[in-house]
Amino acid sequence: GDSVTQMEGPVTLSEEAFLTINCTYTATGYPSLFWYVQYPGEGLQLLLKATKADDKGSNKGFEATYRKETTSFHLEKGSVQVSDSAVYFCALRKPGANNLFFGTGTRLTVIP
Amino acid sequence: ETGVTQSPTHLIKTRGQQVTLRCSSQSGHNTVSWYQQALGQGPQFIFQYYREEENGRGNFPPRFSGLQFPNYSSELNVNALELDDSALYLCASSRGGAGSNQETQYFGPGTRLLVL
Repeated sequence: GDSVTQMEGPVTLSEEAFLTINCTYTATGYPSLFWYVQYPGEGLQLLLKATKADDKGSNKGFEATYRKETTSFHLEKGSVQVSDSAVYFCALRKPGANNLFFGTGTRLTVIP
Repeated sequence: ETGVTQSPTHLIKTRGQQVTLRCSSQSGHNTVSWYQQALGQGPQFIFQYYREEENGRGNFPPRFSGLQFPNYSSELNVNALELDDSALYLCASSRGGAGSNQETQYFGPGTRLLVL
């Protein structure tokens, strides 16, 4: 069945460190891939997305590239800030499907 | 342009009771999806509504039901509440619907339900 596997957290980094959060997926066909972010006490916000192989999504300094050959969509940021502290969710949506399928989330804490 | 709104923000119920949660979709969006997010987990799809009809359902029992209104707002109803129903309930709206390439889903802030 379809699944999304994220690296387990929590992840703690110092400000200005490089961030990678791994995400791999299992799905038939060519799903669209998403990263959502959830700040404390809030709902989910779309961070970035990619709809086909080799697409790169980017937003607010975050990037992720859709890698069909490795079924991955790893999230990266070159220099994290304290304000990036949140829970990050990788998700997929299969073509023609109605719903998003989420990973379990990775909690990031950035310390000054 | 207003975003997705949900009410109430918090709710406490007891086992066996019924609850109704409400969602107003983002302007221009005609599709509403509901998700349940248990503590420490990712959201799980409950169902989706498009043109006032259920348009896909996840692995949730029939005591989870919903409605969509002509203005595209939506309700989630849960009957016979169980302790495990305690969670954050998220509503997401989008354009598109059955069989189409739906556009991105945008989420509301959620309703936190506690069942005692």
